[in-house]
Amino acid sequence: DIQMTQSPSSLSASVGDRVTITCQASQDISNYLNWYQQKPGKAPNLLIYDASNLETGVPSRFSGSGSGTDFTFTISSLQPEDIGTYYCQQYDNLPLTFGGGTKVEIK
Amino acid sequence: QVQLQESGPGLVKPSQTLSLTCTVSGGSISSGNYYWSWIRQPAGKGLEWIGHIYSSGSTNHNPSLKSRVTLSVDTSKNQFSLKLSSVTAADTAVYYCARVRVGTPTVAVDFWGQGTMVTVSS
Repeated sequence: DIQMTQSPSSLSASVGDRVTITCQASQDISNYLNWYQQKPGKAPNLLIYDASNLETGVPSRFSGSGSGTDFTFTISSLQPEDIGTYYCQQYDNLPLTFGGGTKVEIK
Repeated sequence: QVQLQESGPGLVKPSQTLSLTCTVSGGSISSGNYYWSWIRQPAGKGLEWIGHIYSSGSTNHNPSLKSRVTLSVDTSKNQFSLKLSSVTAADTAVYYCARVRVGTPTVAVDFWGQGTMVTVSS
C-alpha cells in the first residue's frame, strides 16, 4: 500500500494567516492526489483533485501543488469557517489511501 | 444534486455480519463514469477505503479486510450494499457511502453520504 504522511498533525493560526499543509507519498504518485476538508461531525468534502485543480464551488483561497512524492495544500487567508481536518488521498494505486489528517484551528 | 443515504443496523454483535445499504437519489447509479464506494472512519481517527463497485457489478476492495468484504449493486433500486463478515470491535466506525468520480486521470470522492455509526459489541 502507498503510505501518505501529512504534516503537521495539527496547527493553530489566526484569521487571515496563510496556512500550509504538506503530504508525502511513500512512492511516486505523479499528480494522483486529492485534498478533502472534514468539518466536525460531517462527511469530508472534496476541495482539490489531481493535485492542483479546484473543485467546482470551492473558494479560490484553497490551492494545491506538487507532484511525485511531495505535495502542498495552502489556504491563502484563513477564515473562521475553515476550521476542520484536512486529508490528502492518493489514487495512483489501489487501495486508495488517505493521509492521517491535519487539524486546523483558529488561534 | 446527487444524494447518498446509508441505512442499516447501528449495533452488530462480534463475529456477525455488518450489512449496510446506500440509496442514491438525484441521479442514476448506472450513468456516468462513477464507482460507488464505502469508506469508514473510527472515532477520532482517519479515513479507510473499504472498496468500491461499478454499476456493472465489478468490484475492488481493500486487501487489509481480506475476504470479509462483499459489495453488491441493485440498479433497479438505485442502491449498493456492503457486507462485512466476522466483525470485531476494530470494525466499530462511522461508515460512509460515497460516489467516486472517475476521469483521466481523476479518481476523486465527490459526493458522500452523511455517515452511519456502527458499533460492534455484545
